[in-house]
Amino acid sequence: DIQMTQSPSTLSASVGDRVTITCRASQSISNWLAWYQQKPGKAPKLLIYKASSLESGVPSRFSGSASGTEFTLTISSLQPDDFATYYCQQYNSYWTFGQGTKVEIK
Amino acid sequence: EVQLVEFGGGLVQPGGSLRLSCAASEFIFSNYAMSWVRQGPGKGLEWVSDISGSGGTTYYADSVKGRFTISRDNSKNTLYLQMNSLRAEDTAVYYCAKCHGDYGADYFDYWGQGTLVTVSS
Repeated sequence: DIQMTQSPSTLSASVGDRVTITCRASQSISNWLAWYQQKPGKAPKLLIYKASSLESGVPSRFSGSASGTEFTLTISSLQPDDFATYYCQQYNSYWTFGQGTKVEIK
Repeated sequence: EVQLVEFGGGLVQPGGSLRLSCAASEFIFSNYAMSWVRQGPGKGLEWVSDISGSGGTTYYADSVKGRFTISRDNSKNTLYLQMNSLRAEDTAVYYCAKCHGDYGADYFDYWGQGTLVTVSS
């Protein structure tokens, strides 16, 4: 089974900050990685697919990148609406989610 | 706009059964694989099961294999999850999710609002 290790588990930041979340796969998944945003009591929302492709309608301040088995979600300038929990997901072999990163107000 | 609406959750005793449904609309249901994903209280997301657009291929997480059965009725645009031999650790919000494609592993581009399943005596 492919394991996804996401870090950090919690991140404290201020509006306007540049934020980076990392996800590492236990084996090669090519670029078959997605990022989701989830707010309390709501369903997850797709942000990024294929490691770096921005889903339609998602603000351009969100971006994704990949280097080998390490993947990164970056928010270039954190906005009030961005305080949420973020999950990575591999879909190379079945589906596995990272443990999540909660982005909270500093 | 794609809509996914789950129902059928509730309180069930350990060892009991429950069937979840997910009504889909505003897309050609039979053209897409569908999955169930769950989230325990205060926990992260866990993929549970997936079914191809035709219904001919199914996949299960090890944690539910042999106890849960995924199915679909393309004439009714509805996805199902039959859950048997339920355990306390199955307590979670269950989401149905639409896969981007019809076969193979793919990302989830739309999610329902979720239905809560509580397994407790």
